Amino acid sequence: SQQGEEDPQALSIQEGENATMNCSYKTSINNLQWYRQNSGRGLVHLILIRSNEREKHSGRLRVTLDTSKKSSSLLITASRAADTASYFCATDNQAGTALIFGKGTTLSVSS
Amino acid sequence: SAVISQKPSRDICQRGTSLTIQCQVDSQVTMMFWYRQQPGQSLTLIATANQGSEATYESGFVIDKFPISRPNLTFSTLTVSNMSPEDSSIYLCSGGGSYYNEQFFGPGTRLTVL
Repeated sequence: SQQGEEDPQALSIQEGENATMNCSYKTSINNLQWYRQNSGRGLVHLILIRSNEREKHSGRLRVTLDTSKKSSSLLITASRAADTASYFCATDNQAGTALIFGKGTTLSVSS
Repeated sequence: SAVISQKPSRDICQRGTSLTIQCQVDSQVTMMFWYRQQPGQSLTLIATANQGSEATYESGFVIDKFPISRPNLTFSTLTVSNMSPEDSSIYLCSGGGSYYNEQFFGPGTRLTVL
């Protein structure tokens, strides 16, 4: 069963703009991970944030986690056409091992 | 990070046949998993591949349909048995450490069943 739910489902922006995607989940977690998938290919790991962390940065990516609201957001700053992809959040399952994925946000960045 | 490769990258198969997908990790990983991604959908966990023992399957997936092997800490196979068009999906393997660590994914195997 799906744990995370991303919103929006689809997002279209211009190059240079910022893109924000949100993820909500239902049960307590140990960590939350964000992935990118280009056009039905494999998943690229972007960032992992632990339950005791509130914010994490990696290059143009900024991830926040609010465990009280059971939500996370991924911000991509100064977007590029190459950022066009589907973005998924994933939380650990009850056993704390495998991942449960949200439905994903499809981001389209036009030049 | 771990680098994960899968073979084949894609295949077109006939109904009723079986396909075995291989997953190779460039370093030893504690955990390996198999996921399915149906067209336009998110990823669904099929099973956890346990080294030297039977895989642990998620609800809705059974060993007879998706037998899995994991002979060592770097290699696993998933077989999709007695295929039907509904099995047309991307199948991805992943590997990682304990739940404190990131999971890394292979490039996926795109399966089409006619």
